[in-house]
Amino acid sequence: ILNVEQSPQSLHVQEGDSTNFTCSFPSSNFYALHWYRWETAKSPEALFVMTLNGDEKKKGRISATLNTKEGYSYLYIKGSQPEDSATYLCAFIRVDSSYKLIFGSGTRLLVRP
Amino acid sequence: ETGVTQTPRHLVMGMTNKKSLKCEQHLGHNAMYWYKQSAKKPLELMFVYNFKEQTENNSVPSRFSPECPNSSHLFLHLHTLQPEDSALYLCASSQGVGGGVSDTQYFGPGTRLTVL
Repeated sequence: ILNVEQSPQSLHVQEGDSTNFTCSFPSSNFYALHWYRWETAKSPEALFVMTLNGDEKKKGRISATLNTKEGYSYLYIKGSQPEDSATYLCAFIRVDSSYKLIFGSGTRLLVRP
Repeated sequence: ETGVTQTPRHLVMGMTNKKSLKCEQHLGHNAMYWYKQSAKKPLELMFVYNFKEQTENNSVPSRFSPECPNSSHLFLHLHTLQPEDSALYLCASSQGVGGGVSDTQYFGPGTRLTVL
């Protein structure tokens, strides 16, 4: 993998469902992975910054895991609520990239009441 | 609110116009960024400023001209743009440019630019 790939592109779930999506990134020269939540017409909001293999981060009903050896991160949302509807972006930083964020295209989540 | 504001929120301009986008951060950060998001494409870094000095130009055409008069303000001057430059332009700031936890980037809401 040369770029950051996120899957699925979009996801529709029912209120109360738990869901997860994937961010895949190059496993070599890893420095950090950032997750952002972006609601329509608002600013992207930082969720997590992950730097260590095996890292797990949690913020309320949202959690994330990181596997730097195989190059993926999962974002989980437990008991989705309509207010969780947003696009979730991940961004990868390589050691040799002047710490530039390389973004994926995002997973667009819609939670139906 | 993230503490980063952008004006205007929407801008329509002709190819011969000159306009400027403004970004202001109220977070006391030292680094500021311009990003571009074209339709159906990921966010793409354009410029980075650290302590008012440009440290990154990601091969951006010269019709985009950034200016950082101080650590709180960032401008993007636009002239003779093309219709394909129509996009959402986002500004961000961070404490430093290290990319770790302490250098989390805080984004503004963006300026939606349409070039006719």
